[in-house]
Amino acid sequence: QKEVEQNSGPLSVPEGAIASLNCTYSDRGSQSFFWYRQYSGKSPELIMSIYSNGDKEDGRFTAQLNKASQYVSLLIRDSQPSDSATYLCAVLSSNTGKLIFGQGTTLQVKP
Amino acid sequence: DARVTQTPRDKVTEMGQEVTMRCQPILGHNTVFWYRQTMMQGLELLAYFRNRAPLDDSGMPKDRFSAEMPDATLATLKIQPSEPRDSAVYFCASGKGQGGTEAFFGQGTRLTVV
Repeated sequence: QKEVEQNSGPLSVPEGAIASLNCTYSDRGSQSFFWYRQYSGKSPELIMSIYSNGDKEDGRFTAQLNKASQYVSLLIRDSQPSDSATYLCAVLSSNTGKLIFGQGTTLQVKP
Repeated sequence: DARVTQTPRDKVTEMGQEVTMRCQPILGHNTVFWYRQTMMQGLELLAYFRNRAPLDDSGMPKDRFSAEMPDATLATLKIQPSEPRDSAVYFCASGKGQGGTEAFFGQGTRLTVV
């Protein structure tokens, strides 16, 4: 079992729709969770961090965390073609201090 | 505009040569991560440092890779000898604190070993 798992996609949504990206993790002791966006040929860019169960909203982005289910998600409302990228879920292990990434989900927003 | 700086941006080298990649973390950040990214494996953690001390390098091939942090403003990743399978993009990321450690990435070094 991989430490952080994501569906590689591609996930295709029409412009204006809600995109839902999911991530599961294996280290139950993890306390910090992050979403990064990576455009082709560029470096990962931090877009959201979440530390407590529940929802955290920032503009069109909402991160959701459920530690009991070991599940993190990212919702993108009113998706735009400029949101087309690979979204990486990252989990910081409280035991080892390692920041581990999933394989990433490719999102395509079609005009 | 604080950012992580990596050099070189691109490197083409012949098999067997030594390669050194450098990273300048954001001023004040005390944690540095080195990652390798390939299409097949995604982002793999190679090593990381906190307060310049190496905490884990279990992701690195020990016989050819080495990572050091000679001072707070410089982290290095060295490959000797390089092999074609080392071709990848190498990223450095830095963060601060013990708990959250939001990490910010440099532009990466694209390494091609021929």
